Amino acid sequence: TQLLEQSPQFLSIQEGENLTVYCNSSSVFSSLQWYRQEPGEGPVLLVTVVTGGEVKKLKRLTFQFGDARKDSSLHITAAQPGDTGLYLCAGINNDMRFGAGTRLTVKP
Amino acid sequence: NAGVTQTPKFQVLKTGQSMTLQCAQDMNHNSMYWYRQDPGMGLRLIYYSASEGTTDKGEVPNGYNVSRLNKREFSLRLESAAPSQTSVYFCASSIQVFSGNTIYFGEGSWLTVV
Repeated sequence: TQLLEQSPQFLSIQEGENLTVYCNSSSVFSSLQWYRQEPGEGPVLLVTVVTGGEVKKLKRLTFQFGDARKDSSLHITAAQPGDTGLYLCAGINNDMRFGAGTRLTVKP
Repeated sequence: NAGVTQTPKFQVLKTGQSMTLQCAQDMNHNSMYWYRQDPGMGLRLIYYSASEGTTDKGEVPNGYNVSRLNKREFSLRLESAAPSQTSVYFCASSIQVFSGNTIYFGEGSWLTVV
């Protein structure tokens, strides 16, 4: 059983569509990070959220940390083929645990 | 900008063989990590080194050993490889361990044990 559950596991959409992926846990985290990983490469940090209810925007990506600091969401507006990749969330306390990821494919 | 460099990129081992994965970072980071990534499992921490001279077990340490050779280098050793250790291994580094700082990952090492 994963400490962090990410959903959906796979998502395939057309260019221009909007989407939301989720990262849920029963644990409270001091902070949570989102990473994107492309094939053959290591994960790259997108954002760190620290405060419950916090919303951060990175161009077309909007990240929200749940009020209770147990969950997070990533919303992408007008997805582009360059957004294709594996999106991983990671919860941080005295250690760092990753979810299994959402594999996103954006078709032109 | 080298960042985190790990070698080898690909390796095939026979069951029972040993090997060492090498990792070096040039960002003057205090903390270094070894993760493995398996389909549907995400990244799981094998060992980490909070600072030079210290190492600690992570989530899945069995069958592995590590050495923090100096501030730059952190190696992972498989003493007697098993098929269950077939995976993609990532080395990573950060300024401070589990602090919410950015973790920088290497490009990965694909290991197959037959």
